[in-house]
This record gives sequence, C-alpha cells and structure tokens, in this order.
Amino acid sequence: GNSVTQMEGPVTLSEEAFLTINCTYTATGYPSLFWYVQYPGEGLQLLLKATKADDKGSNKGFEATYRKETTSFHLEKGSVQVSDSAVYFCALSDGGSQGNLIFGKGTKLSVKP
Amino acid sequence: GAVVSQHPSWVICKSGTSVKIECRSLDFQATTMFWYRQFPKQSLMLMATSNEGSKATYEQGVEKDKFLINHASLTLSTLTVTSAHPEDSSFYICSASRDRGYNEQFFGPGTRLTVL
Repeated sequence: GNSVTQMEGPVTLSEEAFLTINCTYTATGYPSLFWYVQYPGEGLQLLLKATKADDKGSNKGFEATYRKETTSFHLEKGSVQVSDSAVYFCALSDGGSQGNLIFGKGTKLSVKP
Repeated sequence: GAVVSQHPSWVICKSGTSVKIECRSLDFQATTMFWYRQFPKQSLMLMATSNEGSKATYEQGVEKDKFLINHASLTLSTLTVTSAHPEDSSFYICSASRDRGYNEQFFGPGTRLTVL
C-alpha cells in the first residue's frame, strides 16, 4: 500500500542554518505530495504541495521538488529562523475520490538563536 | 479564513464512559470532514471520512460502533468514543474540506483524550 517515510527527529539547528528534512514515498499511480507544518498548540497547516513529477512547491522560504525517479519530496530551507520551530509532516494523496492523506511520522525541528 | 476548531482540547474520562469531540469549520462550509488518530511519535492515521448528511466511511480496522461519527451540518462533525478504554487514549485530530479533500484539508488543533 501507499506509505510515506520521513527522517526521524528531533532536528536541532542554529538560526540561519540550512535545513533538509528527507521524505520518500511509496505509491501506485501518481500521487500529490504535501508538506504540512504544526506549530505548538496549533493545527496542521499546509506548507506547500506538488501535484506532478518535477513540480516544485514553495512557501515562506521552504521548497520541495517532486522527484518521481527517486520517489522523494525533500523539504529544504536555506536559512531557518527561530519561528520555524515546529513539527513538519510529509504526506501524499493517492488521488482517490476523497483526497485521503497518508502522513509520515513527523519531524520536530527546533531552531536555536 | 479556513479555521477549524475542536472542542474540548483535552479530556480525561473514566473507563466505560463515552466522550464526544466536536469539530467545527468556523468560516467556511465543509463538504467533507476527516477524523484522524495520532499516537506518540507516530503519523496521523485516518479513521473515517464523513460527508455532510451521509454516513461516515470508516477505514479498515476502525470499529464504527465504537467511534460514532455524525456530520449533521456543513460546519459541525462530532466523534463519540463509546465505552472508552485506556487503549483509546490518543490525540484525535479532525480536518475539513470544501471540496471533498481534492485540494486542501484544514486541520483542527486536536483533542487529547486520556481514559483512566
């Protein structure tokens, strides 16, 4: 079945460091891929998405490229801020009739000043 | 816009009692609402999908008689955990979609349930 694997956390970085959170997926067909972010005490928010191979999603300085050949959707940011501290979830939608999402386990990011 | 609330944010109950969790879309009409369960350090697992006015569709392995879902209006869905047991303790998260989830789901902040 479909699944998402993302790197285990927690990840601790200093402000202005480069961030990569790895995400790989297993899916039949052509899923859409998402990154969600959950700030402390809040619900998950869509950070970015890509719906087909080679698409690049970007938002708030974060980027991820849909790589079909490596079945990956790694999240990157060139210079993290303390305010980026949150839990990040990679997810896929198998494009079924209800747009069901399959999530990775989440990666907690802590950015120190 | 697109705010989803859940109530309560946390609840503690005794084994054998029932608990109701509400999920509301505050500023949009939600055609579809989803209920997820999250264990510590685990991913969100979809429990069920509900369309307004229809019976919920449960994922394999989820007991529909134990987790009762009602989606009576376009802004409110409820999850009732019946005869709760300690193994039902978890973090329950709902999401809502304007378009059956095709484009984006908007998530609530979650409800922490602890069953003693």
